[in-house]
Amino acid sequence: GNSVTQMEGPVTLSEEAFLTINCTYTATGYPSLFWYVQYPGEGLQLLLKATKADDKGSNKGFEATYRKETTSFHLEKGSVQVSDSAVYFCALTFSGNTPLVFGKGTRLSVIA
Amino acid sequence: DAGVIQSPRHEVTEMGQEVTLRCKPISGHDYLFWYRQTMMRGLELLIYFNNNVPIDDSGMPEDRFSAKMPNASFSTLKIQPSEPRDSAVYFCASSNGGRTEAFFGQGTRLTVV
Repeated sequence: GNSVTQMEGPVTLSEEAFLTINCTYTATGYPSLFWYVQYPGEGLQLLLKATKADDKGSNKGFEATYRKETTSFHLEKGSVQVSDSAVYFCALTFSGNTPLVFGKGTRLSVIA
Repeated sequence: DAGVIQSPRHEVTEMGQEVTLRCKPISGHDYLFWYRQTMMRGLELLIYFNNNVPIDDSGMPEDRFSAKMPNASFSTLKIQPSEPRDSAVYFCASSNGGRTEAFFGQGTRLTVV
């Protein structure tokens, strides 16, 4: 079946450090890929997405590139802030009536 | 649009009681999803609807759980009777289906004591 694997957290970084959260997927076909972010006490918010191979999604300084050859969609940010502390979820979906499949989430803590 | 609206935000109930969680999806969205989030199991899809019709309820853990969508603007998730292991955050989400993203509500934090 379809699945998403994320690096396990928690990840703790100092402010202004470089962030990478790894995400790989297993799927039959070519899904759309997403990163969601969940701040404490809130629901999930879409952070960025990519719908086809080699697409780069970006938002709020975060980026991820859809790599078909490695079935990956790693999240990166060049300089994290304390306000980026949250749980990050990688997810995929296909066209039609298939719901999002989520990874287990990676908790990021950024310290000043 | 106000986004996906869930109520209540918090619910504390005693074991054995009936619990009803409510969701109003974004207007015009034809898919509605119910998820459960726990520390141990992460995000689990419970059930989803397309045009008010349940498509897949294989994620519903037991017969104690039921979900309905009587119209395009309202859905409920009911647990009867509730048990302490049902304690979790329950999210509702809606989308236009296809390859588009889902939009999540703020969630309902359920505590069964």
